[in-house]
Amino acid sequence: EAQVTQNPRYLITVTGKKLTVTCSQNMNHEYMSWYRQDPGLGLRQIYYSMNVEVTDKGDVPEGYKVSRKEKRNFPLILESPSPNQTSLYFCASHKGGNYGYTFGSGTRLTVV
Amino acid sequence: QQQVKQSPQSLIVQKGGISIINCAYENTAFDYFPWYQQFPGKGPALLIAIRPDVSEKKEGRFTISFNKSAKQFSLHIMDSQPGDSATYFCAAGFGNQFYFGTGTSLTVIP
Repeated sequence: EAQVTQNPRYLITVTGKKLTVTCSQNMNHEYMSWYRQDPGLGLRQIYYSMNVEVTDKGDVPEGYKVSRKEKRNFPLILESPSPNQTSLYFCASHKGGNYGYTFGSGTRLTVV
Repeated sequence: QQQVKQSPQSLIVQKGGISIINCAYENTAFDYFPWYQQFPGKGPALLIAIRPDVSEKKEGRFTISFNKSAKQFSLHIMDSQPGDSATYFCAAGFGNQFYFGTGTSLTVIP
């Protein structure tokens, strides 16, 4: 089944403790992105990647890092999480051109 | 600055009625306009999309109307069903950069 897999689904952590949210896609898509979803704000792009080793900032990149060492994986790294990063995070991929994203099921992160 | 503005924030429709959600965008370079449907606990799923060279696209009960000169596009759900109750997001963009609206929570009453 074609899908984007994120882990974990739920995560509660403390301020300042580094964490990584993993994302993997099995569709051989070139493009991958991370979004955060907050009430009243919709989905906002954090980072995106056009190919292996090619990444760029989206609208809200502060406090996040990403890497794209393999085509299928695009982890999101929070080096020092803060409470304002409490959110619902989605990883997504698409094959380029005018094609829609395929989204993962989301990771609900709470930073206390 | 909100690149894509979506309204209404919430919508209640009777079963069998028409649901209409509107979006407006600013950047005339946008060349792809998808709509996503999201159920609770799930990621958004692509519902239907349109390119700016056409004014309307229909897939089953779902239709996108696109007005390039007004920089507006809308989703029409005909014969709305309780199973359509979900949050709907419009988006606009190009390449790998897409901007989403703030979402519309649709409730279809039986």
